Amino acid sequence: QVQLVESGGGVVQPGGSLRLSCAASGFIFSNYAMHWVRQSPGKGLEWVAVLSYDGSGKYYADSVRGRFSISRDDSMNTSYLQMDSLSVEDTAIYYCARKGRDNYFDPWGQGTLVTVSS
Amino acid sequence: DIQLTQSPSSLSASVGDRVTITCRASQGISNSLAWYHQKPGKAPKLLLYAASRLQSGVPSRFSGGGAGTDYTLTINSLQPEDFGTFYCQQYYDIPPWTFGQGTKVEVK
Repeated sequence: QVQLVESGGGVVQPGGSLRLSCAASGFIFSNYAMHWVRQSPGKGLEWVAVLSYDGSGKYYADSVRGRFSISRDDSMNTSYLQMDSLSVEDTAIYYCARKGRDNYFDPWGQGTLVTVSS
Repeated sequence: DIQLTQSPSSLSASVGDRVTITCRASQGISNSLAWYHQKPGKAPKLLLYAASRLQSGVPSRFSGGGAGTDYTLTINSLQPEDFGTFYCQQYYDIPPWTFGQGTKVEVK
């Protein structure tokens, strides 16, 4: 079955960096755009970034542009989110999600928690 | 960016009740709307897309409607497992993809 599994979360100090991974299985990874979405504790959902299926299109939310970088390795069936210059406002659960047949998200991974704290 | 406003923010209903959640967009989104259900500690799950199309495997008690800027999610005969938070999302004018603030549903 289609499955997405995030990893790489943890506790990091303000100004630090972290790289998240999203391992995909059960589908042809190279055919799909992949997204990252975050959810701050007790808050709603915020789209973060997307990378097209062929790597030609990268888009970011204003809140992370210039600090976060999305990438993919189709040989590893994995999407990555490199997060630099982290601030406390970046504390959240980070989910990866696959683009659906149209531009909705389906499915989602289980999420990985990033905590930015001194 | 397109803003989505959901109402109500929370509700409490009994098993068997009919529940309706509204999502209003700041501009027309031509039915490019998805609904997700998130249970506590879990990832969101797609329920409907294109405003009214039921995702495979989702119970038929869930339905969606609307047009232009106003959309609804209806749960016919609320079940105990329907607790959690429901989010709408627009994918008409992207990026960015935007979500409503969520509607928390409690089953009495």
